[in-house]
Amino acid sequence: GENVEQHPSTLSVQEGDSAVIKCTYSDSASNYFPWYKQELGKGPQLIIDIRSNVGEKKDQRIAVTLNKTAKHFSLHITETQPEDSAVYFCAASLRGAGNTPLVFGKGTRLSVIA
Amino acid sequence: SAVISQKPSRDICQRGTSLTIQCQVDSQVTMMFWYRQQPGQSLTLIATANQGSEATYESGFVIDKFPISRPNLTFSTLTVSNMSPEDSSIYLCSAMGQIGGRALWQQYFGPGTRLTVT
Repeated sequence: GENVEQHPSTLSVQEGDSAVIKCTYSDSASNYFPWYKQELGKGPQLIIDIRSNVGEKKDQRIAVTLNKTAKHFSLHITETQPEDSAVYFCAASLRGAGNTPLVFGKGTRLSVIA
Repeated sequence: SAVISQKPSRDICQRGTSLTIQCQVDSQVTMMFWYRQQPGQSLTLIATANQGSEATYESGFVIDKFPISRPNLTFSTLTVSNMSPEDSSIYLCSAMGQIGGRALWQQYFGPGTRLTVT
């Protein structure tokens, strides 16, 4: 089955700097890769996702890149703000003709220092 | 996006009792899931709630301990049976495949139910 590794487990950046979180997956059949942000006491919030037919996707200060050959994908947050502080989870699954459940990484605790 | 609500938001229960958690989605969805999240940990899938049939459980989770219902396309319940302190966790409902929507692949989560077993 799918296995997702996520690094780093913790990340501290100065406000205004960029943050990068990296994930690798094991199942080459996976074709859907979402990222979630979880604030304390809340459920995970979908912030961006990417499909395997796309190499990069951007939404304002957030971008995700995907390297299918190497089986890794990354989350990039630019111009970080204190409100970006949270735990971020990557995930992978197969969607479409055959749906498989999301498999999550272990999470990255991001702290943005003002 | 689908909006998901859960009840209760938190509860403190005694060992040996059972708790049923309700999950309501504001639109019809094809798939609903239940996850468990230990404090400071990642999300672990308990089961996929199938409408009109028995839930599909992941390895390590059994129906007798975590019975699940899904009577329609917007609602599901998870029961945590014969609880022990090891069941203390956050239980999250999730849904994907909004019927009639455009984002068929996207999966959303409820706010979670924080369960403490004493």
